[in-house]
Formats: sequence, C-alpha cells, structure tokens
Amino acid sequence: NAGVMQNPRHLVRRRGQEARLRCSPMKGHSHVYWYRQLPEEGLKFMVYLQKENIIDESGMPKERFSAEFPKEGPSILRIQQVVRGDSAAYFCASSRTDNTEAFFGQGTRLTVV
Amino acid sequence: GDSVTQMEGPVTLSEEAFLTINCTYTATGYPSLFWYVQYPGEGLQLLLKATKADDKGSNKGFEATYRKETTSFHLEKGSVQVSDSAVYFCALVTGGGNKLTFGTGTQLKVEL
Repeated sequence: NAGVMQNPRHLVRRRGQEARLRCSPMKGHSHVYWYRQLPEEGLKFMVYLQKENIIDESGMPKERFSAEFPKEGPSILRIQQVVRGDSAAYFCASSRTDNTEAFFGQGTRLTVV
Repeated sequence: GDSVTQMEGPVTLSEEAFLTINCTYTATGYPSLFWYVQYPGEGLQLLLKATKADDKGSNKGFEATYRKETTSFHLEKGSVQVSDSAVYFCALVTGGGNKLTFGTGTQLKVEL
C-alpha cells in the first residue's frame, strides 16, 4: 500500500512562472491537507479538501494560490506568478476521514530563482 | 490563536544519552497533542499522541506526558540511538480533525 505520493520532490521556478504541486493520497483516503514550511518556521496549514470540495482554506494566501482535488486524479496546489517568498517545502497529508490519522508525503521543495 | 513552541536545535547527543525536547503550547479549548518525526528524505510520521490531560503517549521508547498545568508536552527517551537522528515536530489540534498547528521542529543528531 503506497503512502502519500508527492511530485515533484524538487521544483525550481523563475519569478513570474507558475508552479504546480501534485499529491496522490493513500488508497481509500478522500481527505487531503496541504501545509507549507517556510525556512526556519514550522509547518503551517494551508487548505483542507475532500473530493471536489474545498472544506477549509483559511490558511491560503488570498492571491495567486489555489487548490483542487478532482473526482479523478491527484490533488493539485497551484501557485501563479511565483515570487521568491514562495520558496518553501510544501507537504501534503491524507486521511480516510476527518477524524482519523493523517499520513504525510515527503514534500515538494519549491525554489524560486 | 493556537501556537506551539519547541526548543531550538540542533541537538547533538552521544548514543545511549538521555533525550528531552521541550514543547509548550497555547490553545483555545482542550487540544490533542502530537509528536511527529521526519527522518532524512522522508515525510512526517506520527510518533505518539495524547488526547487529554495526564495522558502519556509512548512509542519506540519515546514518551511524552500531556501536562495541562504547565501547558507542556515534552518528548523524552532514556537511551537514544544513531537511528533516532531526525527532525522532531510537536503539534496540536483543537476541535478534532487534522488541521494541525506545528512547532518549528527540533533537529536531533545522535553520534557514536
């Protein structure tokens, strides 16, 4: 049973480009959470999604960031017009229900140059 | 809002030494408390948890006790091994669910 798969593991983007981060939850999991870890900081909650629905996006920056979890396929975190301050590690977690343990992926390290 | 404060790292210990990583929190309501571990190149794994005051979570020789009076959840291990080298994160959640609030993480390095 594969764990939570994130890709790419490392992503380099120039300022102004778009970044797409993918997260495939564990089999049987329909709840996905995205977290961001800025340098020297802890992980910060960004967004919580169920299939085709955004449940809680209270941690998402108001502009340039969006997330989706379609009926088929992985969850996508999309960052438009990236800036240097977006450089961080982005972690995805999934759970079977909203009250069972969440399992984390290995993260995607985004570097904006 | 909720917050978690961890002792800063890196922490370097010799094998078989005693480990303490301090964690204190502020939260509205009654949080559940967690320790996660991240081994090099891997994702975060749940190490242990406690859901109410005076509960002790334990796993792989690690322990932490939920202290409501001091709002703390310190991680301890009596004898560390080289294989324990990792980054340790303290976290909490209030109201159930998986919207976790994390500390900044403490890197542990264990040497022979």
